[in-house]
Amino acid sequence: SQQGEEDPQALSIQEGENATMNCSYKTSINNLQWYRQNSGRGLVHLILIRSNEREKHSGRLRVTLDTSKKSSSLLITASRAADTASYFCATEYSGGGADGLTFGKGTHLIIQP
Amino acid sequence: NAGVMQNPRHLVRRRGQEARLRCSPMKGHSHVYWYRQLPEEGLKFMVYLQKENIIDESGMPKERFSAEFPKEGPSILRIQQVVRGDSAAYFCASSLREVYEQYFGPGTRLTVT
Repeated sequence: SQQGEEDPQALSIQEGENATMNCSYKTSINNLQWYRQNSGRGLVHLILIRSNEREKHSGRLRVTLDTSKKSSSLLITASRAADTASYFCATEYSGGGADGLTFGKGTHLIIQP
Repeated sequence: NAGVMQNPRHLVRRRGQEARLRCSPMKGHSHVYWYRQLPEEGLKFMVYLQKENIIDESGMPKERFSAEFPKEGPSILRIQQVVRGDSAAYFCASSLREVYEQYFGPGTRLTVT
């Protein structure tokens, strides 16, 4: 089921600018993950942040997590045309188990050259 | 409209046995993706299928793993001669078309003893 909420649903920016996407969720989590999907391809895992972490970096990606607000943001700095894709957040709930991963509907990011 | 269904939800196999995981996509969806998730890690893409065709199997181990999506019936992920390292949660997702959002099933947790 798709229970997370990404915001905005679509984002179009110029190459070189920073892109920020947000994700909100509803219950206690073990971790939150961000994924990218290029057209017609499978999801690619970008970064995982645990519930006891507040910020994490990976290359041009910066993820923050605010468990009090039940929200996370993904920042892509110095965007490139190749960053054009859909970005999804997924939360793994404290209950765990095979049904513990819940995806949002995604943000479609377009980087204009 | 039922969501993506996977069965079994939990599967226990001894080393050397075969594991068969089934995925029934949402009604009308002809695109299926399989992912594997190890504990505390993100999803890793395995294979992307359309009806009767494998489109992208770049994430599939070369040996022991196979997938199919026949004209009729569910998609099957088959793991032959399972080893302990195959223990993981296996998720499938379906989409209406190539560029549409993916809807995830609840996953199958495979335990190899």
